[in-house]
Amino acid sequence: EAQVTQNPRYLITVTGKKLTVTCSQNMNHEYMSWYRQDPGLGLRQIYYSMNVEVTDKGDVPEGYKVSRKEKRNFPLILESPSPNQTSLYFCASSSGGPPDTQYFGPGTRLTVL
Amino acid sequence: GQSLEQPSEVTAVEGAIVQINCTYQTSGFYGLSWYQQHDGGAPTFLSYNALDGLEETGRFSSFLSRSDSYGYLLLQELQMKDSASYFCAVRFRGDYKLSFGAGTTVTVRA
Repeated sequence: EAQVTQNPRYLITVTGKKLTVTCSQNMNHEYMSWYRQDPGLGLRQIYYSMNVEVTDKGDVPEGYKVSRKEKRNFPLILESPSPNQTSLYFCASSSGGPPDTQYFGPGTRLTVL
Repeated sequence: GQSLEQPSEVTAVEGAIVQINCTYQTSGFYGLSWYQQHDGGAPTFLSYNALDGLEETGRFSSFLSRSDSYGYLLLQELQMKDSASYFCAVRFRGDYKLSFGAGTTVTVRA
């Protein structure tokens, strides 16, 4: 089954404790990205990757890091989480070309205390 | 980033027709996409307009007018299961970022 998986689905942590949210896709997609979703703000892109070892900033990259060492994986790293990073996070992948359909993972609800 | 504007909420009764507009400020983009998100779920792709005009997919249709800088999603014969949030999205030319509107919450009442 074609899918995007994320782990963990739920995470409660404390300020400053480094964490990683994993994302994996099995569709051989070149394009992957991370979004955060906050009430009233819709989906805002954090980082995206056009291919292995190619990443770039989205609209809200501050406080986040990513890496793309393999085509299927695109982890999101919060080196020193802060309460304003409490949000719902989605990973997505696509083939990169029109219609550029984004396939979203199930989401990770992160709470930073 | 680039901004896309949508109404925040729409309420309608079963069987009705709802139109969700999406307006934007730039002309240089590849196409306009629409996504549906049920409460607690992930967004799922609904439709894509590369060219001006109407695209129909069952009860849902999407329209794009680049000259008027807007598009819309038309939901026909509304059903209770259509209660969800709907987002428009574009990828702007010269930029691989993807921008989403803030979303429109559609509530269908019996």
